[in-house]
Amino acid sequence: DQQVKQNSPSLSVQEGRISILNCDYTNSMFDYFLWYKKYPAEGPTFLISISSIKDKNEDGRFTVFLNKSAKHLSLHIVPSQPGDSAVYFCAASARGSQGNLIFGKGTKLSVKP
Amino acid sequence: ETGVTQSPTHLIKTRGQQVTLRCSSQSGHNTVSWYQQALGQGPQFIFQYYREEENGRGNFPPRFSGLQFPNYSSELNVNALELDDSALYLCASSFGSRLQAFFGQGTRLTVV
Repeated sequence: DQQVKQNSPSLSVQEGRISILNCDYTNSMFDYFLWYKKYPAEGPTFLISISSIKDKNEDGRFTVFLNKSAKHLSLHIVPSQPGDSAVYFCAASARGSQGNLIFGKGTKLSVKP
Repeated sequence: ETGVTQSPTHLIKTRGQQVTLRCSSQSGHNTVSWYQQALGQGPQFIFQYYREEENGRGNFPPRFSGLQFPNYSSELNVNALELDDSALYLCASSFGSRLQAFFGQGTRLTVV
């Protein structure tokens, strides 16, 4: 039973265009969401997060949108750069879960020059 | 300020053996979490340690155990290794209840 789903295993985008990575969740107790980026042979790197009391959080080229009614969040990268090519993981945490992050399976983003 | 470091980076063990993986948390962090990432999957929570006590556990059998030391470094021990234990094991550190965890590069364990 997957509580966090990233239904697109891969995404290919042209440099300079927008990348949109999607994530769906089923557990209504989740109140904090994070995006991590992972390069091969490295650990995941924190990218951006959002609390369930917000619907948008922005940090430079990265924006995360949260739609609680649809149990859906998305990560927008504008403009996309070749260095953004990596696997992106969506993660969620429920209040009182002692920091237990539930991860999706990841989406591999390829940004082509 | 040093980041999260894990050792060894790669390891090959035989089914039935025991293994110990090590993690040094980022400076100033007192909470360590361990995750297992199987091929093609996202990381899966094993357990968390806070101030040397287990503070939460995922759906893993008791043969997965851990320790946290006074300097907040940590060990993950796996007994009676099974082929399905082959995975990337990730350690993440954070300060207290903050959810923004910082990950190490992982230990790739292969069980043959």
